[in-house]
Amino acid sequence: AQSVAQPEDQVNVAEGNPLTVKCTYSVSGNPYLFWYVQYPNRGLQFLLKYITGDNLVKGSYGFEAEFNKSQTSFHLKKPSALVSDSALYFCAYQTGANNLFFGTGTRLTVIP
Amino acid sequence: EAEVAQSPRYKITEKSQAVAFWCDPISGHATLYWYRQILGQGPELLVQFQDESVVDDSQLPKDRFSAERLKGVDSTLKIQPAELGDSAMYLCASSSWDPINTEAFFGQGTRLTVV
Repeated sequence: AQSVAQPEDQVNVAEGNPLTVKCTYSVSGNPYLFWYVQYPNRGLQFLLKYITGDNLVKGSYGFEAEFNKSQTSFHLKKPSALVSDSALYFCAYQTGANNLFFGTGTRLTVIP
Repeated sequence: EAEVAQSPRYKITEKSQAVAFWCDPISGHATLYWYRQILGQGPELLVQFQDESVVDDSQLPKDRFSAERLKGVDSTLKIQPAELGDSAMYLCASSSWDPINTEAFFGQGTRLTVV
């Protein structure tokens, strides 16, 4: 079965430090991979996507993600965390039928 | 900036009652999704439309849930009768069928509480 996995339920990082939110995938073919962020009582906001091309993808709010085919990973990164980055982050994949499936989420807390 | 509109934002209903949610996608988006999100978990796809046709409703509890998108634009998700376990956030999203610009855009959601 195809899926994405987010191995960490919670990530804590100090403000100003680099952050990483992990995602691994088990998707056949050439996967379309996404990162979304969710703030309390809000819908999900699109951050970035990988479809093809450069393995390093840059997105909104200074976030980036690296597609690593050999490790089947698509980790989300940011060089310097802000308190306002504290939120719930979801990795997702898309199939050829435009279906969009999400991981279980990682709660990021940036400590002032 | 174009947005996905959902209403109501909050709904409290008694179990066994009927409840309905409405979604208006971004203009021109052919694909429309309904998701259910239980607090602290990832969104679970309930139904996906391509224009007015259902593409995937394999996770939709069809004995009590129904969804329609009659003119291929806005959509309604209905629950009848509601059960306590249906308490969750219901999210609507839409996307273009363009394979390059395929990311989904989400509405603010409807938080349902069944009492």
